[in-house]
Amino acid sequence: DTAVSQTPKYLVTQMGNDKSIKCEQNLGHDTMYWYKQDSKKFLKIMFSYNNKELIINETVPNRFSPKSPDKAHLNLHINSLELGDSAVYFCASSLRQGSSYNSPLHFGNGTRLTVT
Amino acid sequence: RKEVEQDPGPFNVPEGATVAFNCTYSNSASQSFFWYRQDCRKEPKLLMSVYSSGNEDGRFTAQLNRASQYISLLIRDSKLSDSATYLCVVNPNYGQNFVFGPGTRLSVLP
Repeated sequence: DTAVSQTPKYLVTQMGNDKSIKCEQNLGHDTMYWYKQDSKKFLKIMFSYNNKELIINETVPNRFSPKSPDKAHLNLHINSLELGDSAVYFCASSLRQGSSYNSPLHFGNGTRLTVT
Repeated sequence: RKEVEQDPGPFNVPEGATVAFNCTYSNSASQSFFWYRQDCRKEPKLLMSVYSSGNEDGRFTAQLNRASQYISLLIRDSKLSDSATYLCVVNPNYGQNFVFGPGTRLSVLP
């Protein structure tokens, strides 16, 4: 199946730990994103990569470090987890912007992170 | 002013009703517009893109008014399965940033 897949689906961990979330897409897209959806359900962009190059880096603590080994993968590593990091993290992908048609976002099914 | 604003909701409507959602955006240079739906504890899924001339997909009609910076979504003959949160999404420019509205929750009641 063509899709955006991210793992794990659930992540429960203690404050201070380091964790990673992986994302892969087989849609042939060259732009990938990380979004955070907090308890109020608001979706906010964190990072965007185009062909392994960082394009967007919103005001996210530097404890969050994205890594894109190739254009089909965008992983998110979080150091020293805090209670406020608890949220759902969505990976997404789209076709390159800049053409006359802006491809919509395709989302992974989310990683629900709970920091205790 | 937020970049993308939507009706606060929630909307509770009976089956078969017609319901309209409104969305406004602040960046007049915005290029692309979409409606997504998000079911509880699921990822957002594309419902439809919004084109300048307006477009229809079955029971769903989307309209764009660039002069007023306004987007709408009309759902006719609501089904129970339409219950979800509807998200207005704007791509301000070709710089690859999609901005989401806060969403409007719809409950279709039997």
